[in-house]
Amino acid sequence: DVKVTQSSRYLVKRTGEKVFLECVQDMDHENMFWYRQDPGLGLRLIYFSYDVKMKEKGDIPEGYSVSREKKERFSLILESASTNQTSMYLCASSFRAPPGYTFGSGTRLTVV
Amino acid sequence: GENVEQHPSTLSVQEGDSAVIKCTYSDSASNYFPWYKQELGKRPQLIIDIRSNVGEKKDQRIAVTLNKTAKHFSLHITETQPEDSAVYFCAAAWSNTGFQKLVFGTGTRLLVSP
Repeated sequence: DVKVTQSSRYLVKRTGEKVFLECVQDMDHENMFWYRQDPGLGLRLIYFSYDVKMKEKGDIPEGYSVSREKKERFSLILESASTNQTSMYLCASSFRAPPGYTFGSGTRLTVV
Repeated sequence: GENVEQHPSTLSVQEGDSAVIKCTYSDSASNYFPWYKQELGKRPQLIIDIRSNVGEKKDQRIAVTLNKTAKHFSLHITETQPEDSAVYFCAAAWSNTGFQKLVFGTGTRLLVSP
């Protein structure tokens, strides 16, 4: 069974803090993705990566950055957390096309 | 632009009825269309997918149909059960990323009443 593990299930951070969300997959998937999920807005892509050290902006990259130093790990960084970044963050991974994603369990981040 | 529209946003049915969720996409080159089910508090999970060279695919009570000319695809659930209650997302693989990225619809909340 493919496992995509997100380091935290719930996280509370203060405005202005630098926040790291970690995602690790164990199936040698080339592709990894970060989405945020908000009610009524569905799944919106923040960043994705097709390979180590490679990244592409998604639909809503502002205020975020990513790092992929190893194939199995994809980190999402909130440079200076703001209250409008309070959301559920979902990591996903897949082989190359067709991209049948496997999602992690999500991190519910609250910025106060 | 990259867009997948999904309707309805909410669907309530009685147990045993059928449910249909519809999606349209804008990229005529899209070739892969998965559906995900997300139960409350859980991760989205792939339940069925279809490729562009197939018009219909079935898996027990679930079926997906694809009309490439009209650029729409649908999820059909027959004999619904309370455990089918969840949010369902459609998606399409986008050609400008070598079909490696999915664009998702906004989701349909299905409620099956006993």
